[in-house]
Amino acid sequence: KNQVEQSPQSLIILEGKNCTLQCNYTVSPFSNLRWYKQDTGRGPVSLTIMTFSENTKSNGRYTATLDADTKQSSLHITASQLSDSASYICVVSAATGTASKLTFGTGTRLQVTL
Amino acid sequence: DGGITQSPKYLFRKEGQNVTLSCEQNLNHDAMYWYRQDPGQGLRLIYYSQIVNDFQKGDIAEGYSVSREKKESFPLTVTSAQKNPTAFYLCASTGSFEKLFFGSGTQLSVL
Repeated sequence: KNQVEQSPQSLIILEGKNCTLQCNYTVSPFSNLRWYKQDTGRGPVSLTIMTFSENTKSNGRYTATLDADTKQSSLHITASQLSDSASYICVVSAATGTASKLTFGTGTRLQVTL
Repeated sequence: DGGITQSPKYLFRKEGQNVTLSCEQNLNHDAMYWYRQDPGQGLRLIYYSQIVNDFQKGDIAEGYSVSREKKESFPLTVTSAQKNPTAFYLCASTGSFEKLFFGSGTQLSVL
């Protein structure tokens, strides 16, 4: 069964600090891995999409890494801001690549405080 | 929200009632999807449509129905057969490189 596990479940950090969110997956055959940001009561917004051959991808202060051998990914947030407070969802796509074959993690809820 | 409009934002259903959630997109995307989000769980696929007049069941289709009469519209009906409908419902469409664009969601609650 395809699974995506995220850790920690929740995290509180001070504004300006860095943090790293983890994602482990057992989706096979692997196609790509995505990170989404979801504000409370809103739809998720795409941050990064990485294929098998990509190790790192950045989007502003967000940097995602992928280790396809160990089936792990991380999302690093640099110099956090209050607006980073949200849930971050890891999503892994099976080899067909269609959205019908996506497996979603349960998310990490990040709170950035003063 | 990437050109996808969901309405209403909040919806209440009485027992035995069918309710319909609206999803409209102006992105000219062929594929559209409905997901259900429950607290502490990952998004689960209800139905998807890759072309007009065609749709497929997802992982949790029981108690739901859809139609795709127009490319821009993909409404979801939550029928009385869905015994636990309280959830946050998200509509999405697929653009280039299979990137998902989501609407802002509809929170459905039972009266």
